[in-house]
Amino acid sequence: GQNIDQPTEMTATEGAIVQINCTYQTSGFNGLFWYQQHAGEAPTFLSYNVLDGLEEKGRFSSFLSRSKGYSYLLLKELQMKDSASYLCAVRDDYKLSFGAGTTVTVRA
Amino acid sequence: DGGITQSPKYLFRKEGQNVTLSCEQNLNHDAMYWYRQDPGQGLRLIYYSQIVNDFQKGDIAEGYSVSREKKESFPLTVTSAQKNPTAFYLCASSWGPGYTFGSGTRLTVV
Repeated sequence: GQNIDQPTEMTATEGAIVQINCTYQTSGFNGLFWYQQHAGEAPTFLSYNVLDGLEEKGRFSSFLSRSKGYSYLLLKELQMKDSASYLCAVRDDYKLSFGAGTTVTVRA
Repeated sequence: DGGITQSPKYLFRKEGQNVTLSCEQNLNHDAMYWYRQDPGQGLRLIYYSQIVNDFQKGDIAEGYSVSREKKESFPLTVTSAQKNPTAFYLCASSWGPGYTFGSGTRLTVV
């Protein structure tokens, strides 16, 4: 089975940095994804890690350690529009399994 | 433009009725998926299909049925056996590791 854990909520100030952690225990591993989801909308792709290390894409970075079953998403220079839910997801051979999501609130 | 189309965006169903949610893709993706999302929760997999005329149960398949008669289409039927069907339903397709999501259907039982 799949067990994917991430914090429920985080709050940060505009311009700051926030790190969302994700730990996983899964029966197979073919990559870890981070998605952003605004309320009532579909998830949108942020990042994909399949090898250990850091992937940087603009203000967003994602890190993976397969031996520790651990990933984090780093959001830098926070903007109000970054207020959303962030979903950690792990792919096995056939499908993507999701964590419950972390709601990030950005305050002025 | 390529993408996934889900319809309708909002759907109301009376208790005891079956209802079918549409999902169509023009991305030429082999695999398609249905997820359910409840408030404050992540996405849970209902059914998935790796190829035409074949599909597999996900984690919460009870009360749902699907078909995959064409590559482009993967409709989901919510049957009267599903005791708590009010939720946000998302369809996705993939070729390789990446997933593309539709815009979702919000189903409400009245």
